[in-house]
Amino acid sequence: DTAVSQTPKYLVTQMGNDKSIKCEQNLGHDTMYWYKQDSKKFLKIMFSYNNKELIINETVPNRFSPKSPDKAHLNLHINSLELGDSAVYFCASSGTGRYGYTFGSGTRLTVV
Amino acid sequence: GQQVMQIPQYQHVQEGEDFTTYCNSSTTLSNIQWYKQRPGGHPVFLIQLVKSGEVKKQKRLTFQFGEAKKNSSLHITATQTTDVGTYFCAGRGGATNKLIFGTGTLLAVQP
Repeated sequence: DTAVSQTPKYLVTQMGNDKSIKCEQNLGHDTMYWYKQDSKKFLKIMFSYNNKELIINETVPNRFSPKSPDKAHLNLHINSLELGDSAVYFCASSGTGRYGYTFGSGTRLTVV
Repeated sequence: GQQVMQIPQYQHVQEGEDFTTYCNSSTTLSNIQWYKQRPGGHPVFLIQLVKSGEVKKQKRLTFQFGEAKKNSSLHITATQTTDVGTYFCAGRGGATNKLIFGTGTLLAVQP
């Protein structure tokens, strides 16, 4: 039983396209996150949702739009993809009072 | 904004040697977490430290939180090839209390 699952695992697409990444967690956690990991391995927070409400919205181009239909799901839609969007995107979740984040296996996005 | 730096960026050791990575924050932290990411994998939570000067051990791994709660270290005794990966610290602090990941230390272990 995968705790935090992301789909797809790999995504290769052309510049200008629109794509979505889906994330689901079955841990009963209240908070979910999107992180971007670039080629230098830096992990940068993009968004955070707590119980379907947006609580963190970092300086991210508005081409990126998260959506949380319920507290177990957090999707990421990206419009007009650019070469610089190529990275690994990780979904994560955390519970109230619990310590660490549980990460999904990541989505490697390549824009060509 | 809050920054969390780690040194070294990269460390190559022979199997059996010790390894230490250091984590420094620009602001005082309420707690610090450590994660390990295997090559091609995702970050996996290892531990959280909360108290000033706290030291915790997990088998060959020793984690320390500085007295001023602005730095931390991870020490691995007698490295094994299974220790290969990138080790991240992640600090929570500042006005927003966000968890900010450090820059990471990539550990390579030669058998």
